[in-house]
Formats: sequence, structure tokens, C-alpha cells
Amino acid sequence: RKEVEQDPGPFNVPEGATVAFNCTYSNSASQSFFWYRQDCRKEPKLLMSVYSSGNEDGRFTAQLNRASQYISLLIRDSKLSDSATYLCVVNEPNSGYSTLTFGKGTMLLVSP
Amino acid sequence: AAGVIQSPRHLIKEKRETATLKCYPIPRHDTVYWYQQGPGQDPQFLISFYEKMQSDKGSIPDRFSAQQFSDYHSELNMSSLELGDSALYFCASSSERQLDEQFFGPGTRLTVL
Repeated sequence: RKEVEQDPGPFNVPEGATVAFNCTYSNSASQSFFWYRQDCRKEPKLLMSVYSSGNEDGRFTAQLNRASQYISLLIRDSKLSDSATYLCVVNEPNSGYSTLTFGKGTMLLVSP
Repeated sequence: AAGVIQSPRHLIKEKRETATLKCYPIPRHDTVYWYQQGPGQDPQFLISFYEKMQSDKGSIPDRFSAQQFSDYHSELNMSSLELGDSALYFCASSSERQLDEQFFGPGTRLTVL
């Protein structure tokens, strides 16, 4: 079983739609959680860090439920430029150093 | 703002050859991470360095080695290349103050023929 599981996707939505991605992680000792965005053949880019009960950044809202080991990302008013693969990323604590474990990603396609 | 620099951006090698990938972290970042991303796969952690010492080791093959130099740049050395080594190799860096937040370079696309 993969340590970080995400919705398989792809998600096809029209512009302006609201879309939510879900992610679960298996290591209860994980301390930090992130959503990265990756465009085709490009590097992953940090979209949001998710701490404690979650946070919001413009059209993006991330939620964390430690008890259920569940993370979500909500995108409101989708734009064409939001089309990308969204990676759920979890910190694996290891002797004070930070190792990131990536989910396989969920592809989002926003159409006109 | 300055980002992580990786070179070369593209590399074509033949089986059994060697390759060296270079990474220059964001200024004042002292931690460097290497990841391998195969086609259609998520990035897999290979190895990391903090203050020129190896800090963690992931799924790095024995044929690969890496080091971090006094100027904090890092090199990933790959020997006896195999077809399955064809992938995108990303370097990421972070600062001691925000170890968790890693910033990725544009990657090196390695093709082994």
C-alpha cells in the first residue's frame, strides 16, 4: 500500500467550477503536509503548506484531519491555468531531517 | 528571486556509460535533495545532504553516488547506466529555518539508449 494515496483522476471540469481533491497518508507520525502543482515535464512547485487545521490562499483551501489522516484541496472558480497535476506530499520524519513522500498525483483539466 | 539551478537540462547517454548531474541550491539554502521521476510516476526520493553531510538516503541505487560541496552545490554521479535510469532527475533545496519547504529545480532529463 502506498504511503500517500490520492484520487486517481483525471478531473475534467469547466471554467468556474469548484473541484476538490482528497489524499490519505499512512504514517501517523507525519508532521507536515503540502500540496504541490506539477505541469507536464516541469518541476513540482509548492502550492500550499498545510499545517494544523488547514489554511486558505485565494481560491485554494487546504484542510487537514489528523485523526483520519486525510488532507484535501479545494479549488474554487477554476481557471484554465489551473490545469496541472496536483501532488499530495507528506513529510516523513526521520531523525530531524525532512524526507518528502509524494502521492501519484491527480490530474486536473479545466476546459473553456 | 533566485531558484534552484540544475545542469545539464537534457542528457543522452548509452548503456553502461556514466553521467554527472549538477545542482546549485537557492542562495543560503544548506540542504539539498535529489529525486527521480520516471514516466508517469511520482518523484521518488534518492538522497539528501545537509551542510555537506549525507542526511538521509532513499531509493538510490548502489551505482549512484552523490555529494555536496563547500559552496553547497551538489552532484549526482551515475555509473553503469541502465535503460531504466531514463527519467527526470530533480534537485530541491531548503533552508535550515524551513526544512520542510523544498523548492525544486527544473530537472535534468536523462535518456539512456
